[in-house]
Amino acid sequence: DIVLTQSPATLSLSPGESATLSCRASQSVSSSLAWYQQRPGQPPRLLIYDASNRAAGIPARFSGSGSGTDFSLTISSLEPEDSAIYYCQQRKSWPPWTFGQGTTVELK
Amino acid sequence: QVQMVESGGSVVQPGGSQRLSCAASGFPFSRVTMHWVRQAPGKGLDWVAAISRDGDRKFYARSVEGRFTISRDNSDYSLFLQMNGLRPDDTAIYYCVKEILGTGYLDFWGQGALVTVSS
Repeated sequence: DIVLTQSPATLSLSPGESATLSCRASQSVSSSLAWYQQRPGQPPRLLIYDASNRAAGIPARFSGSGSGTDFSLTISSLEPEDSAIYYCQQRKSWPPWTFGQGTTVELK
Repeated sequence: QVQMVESGGSVVQPGGSQRLSCAASGFPFSRVTMHWVRQAPGKGLDWVAAISRDGDRKFYARSVEGRFTISRDNSDYSLFLQMNGLRPDDTAIYYCVKEILGTGYLDFWGQGALVTVSS
């Protein structure tokens, strides 16, 4: 199974700052990686697929990059509603479809 | 609009059974692979099972293989998860999730059904 490791566990930033979240795969997943946002009490929401493509309705301040084993999600100019847990997920080798353990973004 | 509504969540004793249902609407249900993904309290996302659009292919996480069965009724836009031999570590919110056609990415999630396994 492909293991996805996210870092850091928690980011604490102020509104207007930028956040960079990392996801590292145990083996290459090419560009077959997605990012999800989960706000408290809500189901996850797809943000990014194929490493860098924004899903429908996702603001341009969310961007993804990377390929192979190293990926990043960048949130520029953080807004209060960006407080959430962010998960990466791979679809290169399945089953199982696997998720990272999540990164919590807290706004001060 | 796309909607998935799960039902069937409850408190179940260890070793017991429970069936979850998901009513889907707003998209061509019979054309997409569907998944169940769970989330234990305060924990991350854990993929459970998937079923192909025609129901012929089914995939399971090792932790549930042999105990859980995924199925679907395309005529009724419904997805199911039959859970047998439940254990306390199966306690979680179970989400019904739609896959973007043929991609393995999960674009719409229901609100989830809470299953608690406890004596």
